[in-house]
Amino acid sequence: NAGVMQNPRHLVRRRGQEARLRCSPMKGHSHVYWYRQLPEEGLKFMVYLQKENIIDESGMPKERFSAEFPKEGPSILRIQQVVRGDSAAYFCASSPALGARATEAFFGQGTRLTVV
Amino acid sequence: AQSVTQLDSHVSVSEGTPVLLRCNYSSSYSPSLFWYVQHPNKGLQLLLKYTSAATLVKGINGFEAEFKKSETSFHLTKPSAHMSDAAEYFCVVSDRSSNYQLIWGAGTKLIIKP
Repeated sequence: NAGVMQNPRHLVRRRGQEARLRCSPMKGHSHVYWYRQLPEEGLKFMVYLQKENIIDESGMPKERFSAEFPKEGPSILRIQQVVRGDSAAYFCASSPALGARATEAFFGQGTRLTVV
Repeated sequence: AQSVTQLDSHVSVSEGTPVLLRCNYSSSYSPSLFWYVQHPNKGLQLLLKYTSAATLVKGINGFEAEFKKSETSFHLTKPSAHMSDAAEYFCVVSDRSSNYQLIWGAGTKLIIKP
């Protein structure tokens, strides 16, 4: 049973380009969470999704950021028109269907986005 | 509102000596508390969790933590540090006030001296 898979591991984008980060949850997990980690900081919650549904996006910036988790395929975190401040590590976690409780989340290795 | 404070950004200990990583939390409800470890360039791994059962929780790699409600603390300890313990450790709280989302501390870097 493969763990949570994120790709790419490292992504470099120029200011103004789009960044697409992918996350394949563990087999059997239907809940996906995205977190952002700025240098020297803990993780900050961005969004919580189930298949075809955004459950909680209270941590997402209001502009340029979007997330989806389609019926088939990985979850995608999309950042349009990236700026230097978007440079961070983005972590995806998944958990089985245990209602709303974000416990026992399993994390991917993260995507490190660098905006130049 | 929930919050987590990790009191030390860096902790340095010699190999073979005890480890103490401090964590204080605030929560209006019965919280769940977690410690995660992040090795360099790796993902996050759950070390241990407290979810209202025994207050002394044992985790992987010889780590344990004690939930002390009166002190609102959940400090992480290990009797004898190993070089492979060098990593960043995050204390995390979750309760129903935030719909059980995980609220993260800023992390403590553990440095092991030979």
